[in-house]
Amino acid sequence: AQSVSQHNHHVILSEAASLELGCNYSYGGTVNLFWYVQYPGQHLQLLLKYFSGDPLVKGIKGFEAEFIKSKFSFNLRKPSVQWSDTAEYFCAVNAPRVGTYKYIFGTGTRLKVLA
Amino acid sequence: DTEVTQTPKHLVMGMTNKKSLKCEQHMGHRAMYWYKQKAKKPPELMFVYSYEKLSINESVPSRFSPECPNSSLLNLHLHALQPEDSALYLCASRGDKTGELFFGEGSRLTVL
Repeated sequence: AQSVSQHNHHVILSEAASLELGCNYSYGGTVNLFWYVQYPGQHLQLLLKYFSGDPLVKGIKGFEAEFIKSKFSFNLRKPSVQWSDTAEYFCAVNAPRVGTYKYIFGTGTRLKVLA
Repeated sequence: DTEVTQTPKHLVMGMTNKKSLKCEQHMGHRAMYWYKQKAKKPPELMFVYSYEKLSINESVPSRFSPECPNSSLLNLHLHALQPEDSALYLCASRGDKTGELFFGEGSRLTVL
């Protein structure tokens, strides 16, 4: 069965600090990978996604993520965080050969950025 | 704002009540989802409809009954719920070309 792990449950950073959030998945076949963000009181929104091609993907608001197949990882990064990045971040995996429509979410990382 | 609309935003119901949650999207997406999210937990997949047919049921108790009247609408009928069913219920639709899930703002359900 697919599973997604996010090892950082809570992260507190000061503004301008660099961010890296870990995401590991368990499935060995082809995967589609996503990072979603949930700002306080708002709906889940897509930050970025990886389907194929360049393993370094860029998303909105200065976020990027790197797919490392050998490590089953898809870590999210941002060089310099802002107070407005305070939110919960979820990694999600879709394995088309397991189920085109099945998307599994990680446990989430709650980020707090101090002004 | 999101292009997936869920109503009601808040619902309080007793354990003997029957109520429904509604979801609507007009992006032409052919797959729609119900997720359940408890506080400080990730969204848990409940049901997926693709082309108006139920394609995934993640062993959800029968007191939750999904319905897809047409490709734009998704309902979740609730009956005889338990207090532990209190949660945020999220609807999503899947972009056919992008594979991205678009989420609604959710319906926050409290079962007394």
